[in-house]
Amino acid sequence: DAKTTQPTSMDCAEGRAANLPCNHSTISGNEYVYWYRQIHSQGPQYIIHGLKNNETNEMASLIITEDRKSSTLILPHATLRDTAVYYCIVRVSQGAQKLVFGQGTRLTINP
Amino acid sequence: GAVVSQHPSRVICKSGTSVKIECRSLDFQATTMFWYRQFPKQSLMLMATSNEGSKATYEQGVEKDKFLINHASLTLSTLTVTSAHPEDSSFYICSAHSGTSNTEAFFGQGTRLTVV
Repeated sequence: DAKTTQPTSMDCAEGRAANLPCNHSTISGNEYVYWYRQIHSQGPQYIIHGLKNNETNEMASLIITEDRKSSTLILPHATLRDTAVYYCIVRVSQGAQKLVFGQGTRLTINP
Repeated sequence: GAVVSQHPSRVICKSGTSVKIECRSLDFQATTMFWYRQFPKQSLMLMATSNEGSKATYEQGVEKDKFLINHASLTLSTLTVTSAHPEDSSFYICSAHSGTSNTEAFFGQGTRLTVV
């Protein structure tokens, strides 16, 4: 699976949009971009995933660049409960492939 | 979304004893489950891939005789930490996948194991 690079930590004010970047310059054509987050002492929670088109769901939006070498997760109106470690993972689409977690970005939402 | 239940959420055991952790997919059949371990302030580290009805596949460096994995049904996988030692104290997390391509994995809430 392709390697991803994320900033170690970020801060965002409550109510503002949180934009979390991820670089995956070696991504292959059949690899999807997945985002998970982990709130302290809990299991990871799925947020969103995409291949090449931008995606949006009730939690977040995912913007993937045209060359697919990077992406941005957007939390449109961050709340204190969004404080967590956010993981960007790329993996192939076939079957039940394992997720390899990097260090992620520790996002702190400040009041 | 789908629910994965992990039990127990916390366990304290004495050094030398064995501990079993259960991972259940509550509303879908999980052909594949994954077991992870997470030490404080570190990321999740994959330990093994558990396939229903076959032997688990362990990641390099993970002792298969110490971390016994059983996936006897499509909704249950168990991880047994045998002869536990204090260095085995960690946060153990399972995830389940339905086997369909391009779908997300669902994670249990984790098990905090403390070996004293």
